[in-house]
Amino acid sequence: DIVMTQSPESLAVSLGERATVFCRSSQSLLHSPINKNYLAWYQQKPGQPPKLLIHWASTRESGVPDRFRGSGSGTDFTLTISSLQAEDVAVYYCQQYFGTVRTFGQGTKVEIK
Amino acid sequence: EVQLVQSGAEVKKPGESLRISCKASGYSFSNYWISWVRQMPGKGLEWMGRIDPTDSDTSYSPSFQGHVTISVDKSISTAYLHWSSLKASDTARYYCARDQGLYSENDFWGQGTLVTVSS
Repeated sequence: DIVMTQSPESLAVSLGERATVFCRSSQSLLHSPINKNYLAWYQQKPGQPPKLLIHWASTRESGVPDRFRGSGSGTDFTLTISSLQAEDVAVYYCQQYFGTVRTFGQGTKVEIK
Repeated sequence: EVQLVQSGAEVKKPGESLRISCKASGYSFSNYWISWVRQMPGKGLEWMGRIDPTDSDTSYSPSFQGHVTISVDKSISTAYLHWSSLKASDTARYYCARDQGLYSENDFWGQGTLVTVSS
């Protein structure tokens, strides 16, 4: 199975500052024929199910604020929250869907400093 | 509006069987797979497996293969997750999620079903 490794485990950022979450996969998630990376980002707030934020590594879902940006290709990916808001406090997960067996990263908890 | 409504919380004893459900509405059930995801208390997300409602084709994570069974009833747009013999370590919240198929993400999620296994 493809192993997904996120870092850091947690981070505390001041309101309005940038938060950056990293995700690395054990093998490339790039599907070369269509030049798409099979990598998604989810946000899970306490007591709620996960919410899809980004797919194909950088395509935001409808309604997701543009302060959320996904980037990267191959094995290294980044989720950036450009200006952290109070409602962004959550655990963020990356997920690969390249393999038959999908796998998640272990999650990154984002808090307010 | 796409909705996945899961069955209510369960409290079971080790060795008992259990089936929890996920009822879909707001879209054509057969056009999308359903995945199941486990979240143990205070822990992260673990993808368990998925089913294609069209032909009931399933795929499981090796970590869950043989311990759970995923099934569907197309006539009522409902997917199921079944255990024949629960263990205390099955205590977790279980989510169903819509899956657009091969090489796709999980775009809509159920609210989760809390399963507690305790003697």
